[in-house]
Amino acid sequence: DSGVTQTPKHLITATGQRVTLRCSPRSGDLSVYWYQQSLDQGLQFLIQYYNGEERAKGNILERFSAQQFPDLHSELNLSSLELGDSALYFCASSSKGVNEKLFFGSGTQLSVL
Amino acid sequence: DQQVKQNSPSLSVQEGRISILNCDYTNSMFDYFLWYKKYPAEGPTFLISISSIKDKNEDGRFTVFLNKSAKHLSLHIVPSQPGDSAVYFCAASGSNFGNEKLTFGTGTRLTIIP
Repeated sequence: DSGVTQTPKHLITATGQRVTLRCSPRSGDLSVYWYQQSLDQGLQFLIQYYNGEERAKGNILERFSAQQFPDLHSELNLSSLELGDSALYFCASSSKGVNEKLFFGSGTQLSVL
Repeated sequence: DQQVKQNSPSLSVQEGRISILNCDYTNSMFDYFLWYKKYPAEGPTFLISISSIKDKNEDGRFTVFLNKSAKHLSLHIVPSQPGDSAVYFCAASGSNFGNEKLTFGTGTRLTIIP
């Protein structure tokens, strides 16, 4: 158990809809990362937050947004969903966010039908 | 633009033998490298890392080798055990990028044959 909690584990929705994925980092970790893993793809970095502030941005679509709350949990919002958004979404956390190993949650499997 | 490449999608190795997983990178600014292991229905878990100031790091049955001139790293597992069957991801980051995100390869599925 990595200590990182992601909910829900599975999400099935239709095109055009909006969903929210939730992540609770390990106790004491200030940095939260979101990654997307599509079929046969590696883990694609989406966005990083550190202590409530956006720290780094990767290949995140404009239809996607994220935030980190004062209690350090994070949410990833995906809107106007398309079939191609179907993927496994991972959240990870680390204590400082600098060249550190990340602790990953077990992911949210999103299926857009 | 795949900056971290794992060119072998899969690898099968006999139990007890050595497993060698390879990873190449293109960005010379990367200075920290990690290997993650992923079982089905679980998130990736950290396995071993190496800083660019070293060329080898060992942890039990796992050894990572770094060849900076070739921009190549490899993970050696000796001896391989059935529990090592998983997908292995290579990852890299650079402390001078302005951010420290990890860039992952596409993974190699390792199957250990009993």
